[in-house]
Amino acid sequence: DTEVTQTPKHLVMGMTNKKSLKCEQHMGHRAMYWYKQKAKKPPELMFVYSYEKLSINESVPSRFSPECPNSSLLNLHLHALQPEDSALYLCASSRLAGFGSDEQFFGPGTRLTVL
Amino acid sequence: TQLLEQSPQFLSIQEGENLTVYCNSSSVFSSLQWYRQEPGEGPVLLVTVVTGGEVKKLKRLTFQFGDARKDSSLHITAAQPGDTGLYLCAGAGIIGGTSYGKLTFGQGTILTVHP
Repeated sequence: DTEVTQTPKHLVMGMTNKKSLKCEQHMGHRAMYWYKQKAKKPPELMFVYSYEKLSINESVPSRFSPECPNSSLLNLHLHALQPEDSALYLCASSRLAGFGSDEQFFGPGTRLTVL
Repeated sequence: TQLLEQSPQFLSIQEGENLTVYCNSSSVFSSLQWYRQEPGEGPVLLVTVVTGGEVKKLKRLTFQFGDARKDSSLHITAAQPGDTGLYLCAGAGIIGGTSYGKLTFGQGTILTVHP
């Protein structure tokens, strides 16, 4: 099973709303990632969790708040977003977040629209 | 500074033609991954190349990793409309760098194969 699942598939929210994106993997991977992707561009890394601890935050605004409740789950809490935050949000996982050939497996993404 | 240059950015061809996509860098990577992404979906891992000079084949797709592990290519033989999508190369583990847990993405190649 090389599947990463994400919910919801689509999300529309106002700038004052609070919502959460969810990601799950059952491959026993110990590293999980959040990416933001604009149309026809490569994914941009936001956060990396390694062994359920935040190891990389790519200077993401505080209106994005990640959470890793356990080794299989990753959440991204959203609050007071801006229209420019509209994008495809991708979750990925890999065996480890180490220096090497660990492959990252991506979920299908959540299409977020901020009105 | 773009560490991984991918070309061409756009490719529009007829069914049955051959094509090659290139990724080049001045950095040495411990591995390089190729992904294919369809609109509204997450990237799907096609292959990982690890050894300098390595060649891997996946049906009509041939992947090469340069001897110095700085560059890679994807060759598609007899392209089909189902090959249409965004192709991304991503380098892992820059030798001498501090890219722990990060992938360096190329800009992507948008391939359209017309029937």
